[in-house]
Amino acid sequence: GAGVSQTPSNKVTEKGKYVELRCDPISGHTALYWYRQSLGQGPEFLIYFQGTGAADDSGLPNDRFFAVRPEGSVSTLKIQRTERGDSAVYLCASSPTGNMNTEAFFGQGTRLTVV
Amino acid sequence: KQEVTQIPAALSVPEGENLVLNCSFTDSAIYNLQWFRQDPGKGLTSLLLIQSSQREQTSGRLNASLDKSSGRSTLYIAASQPGDSATYLCAVNSDRGSTLGRLYFGRGTQLTVWP
Repeated sequence: GAGVSQTPSNKVTEKGKYVELRCDPISGHTALYWYRQSLGQGPEFLIYFQGTGAADDSGLPNDRFFAVRPEGSVSTLKIQRTERGDSAVYLCASSPTGNMNTEAFFGQGTRLTVV
Repeated sequence: KQEVTQIPAALSVPEGENLVLNCSFTDSAIYNLQWFRQDPGKGLTSLLLIQSSQREQTSGRLNASLDKSSGRSTLYIAASQPGDSATYLCAVNSDRGSTLGRLYFGRGTQLTVWP
């Protein structure tokens, strides 16, 4: 597609359940990022992939959060044993290369609500 | 840790006014700075990217300046229109080895332009 695509756009889940959020980056982009945006805040970094590998996962809040990008394209963010505090908009972004001078293109986000 | 601050938090103006949105950051070790626009319930749209070696960038009615040494950027919007109503986010791309490539965001300025 022309832009970064995230599915689902909205997800409501019960506390304690497992969820998966999907990101389809722009075709050919090697760098992929996940951010989390809580209400009234700016996005906060979670994890950065360069190709298939996680180059920086230091933003993941705890071991309930995990992300994969097995073929260097689509990425899945996985959250186990969800908590109400995980409710936020999860944003995915991609950029053409690992060159830091290129801009990041963001998807529409997945709004996760844990009830 | 890089801290990004945006002032004002909210701004409401009549159509036609020229506006200045402010962004400051605490660590001058940056690759670039991006200004984004976020509409309610939507993802982020990149407006302007300024490299650390540049002083300003222009796109249409938008002009962004960067003073890296003092840790400041401004976004100037000329002849504002109701369609400019959105939240404007400033983000810096870190140049520190341990956080290379990570974007640090401010909380944004919520702009309302009324007819």
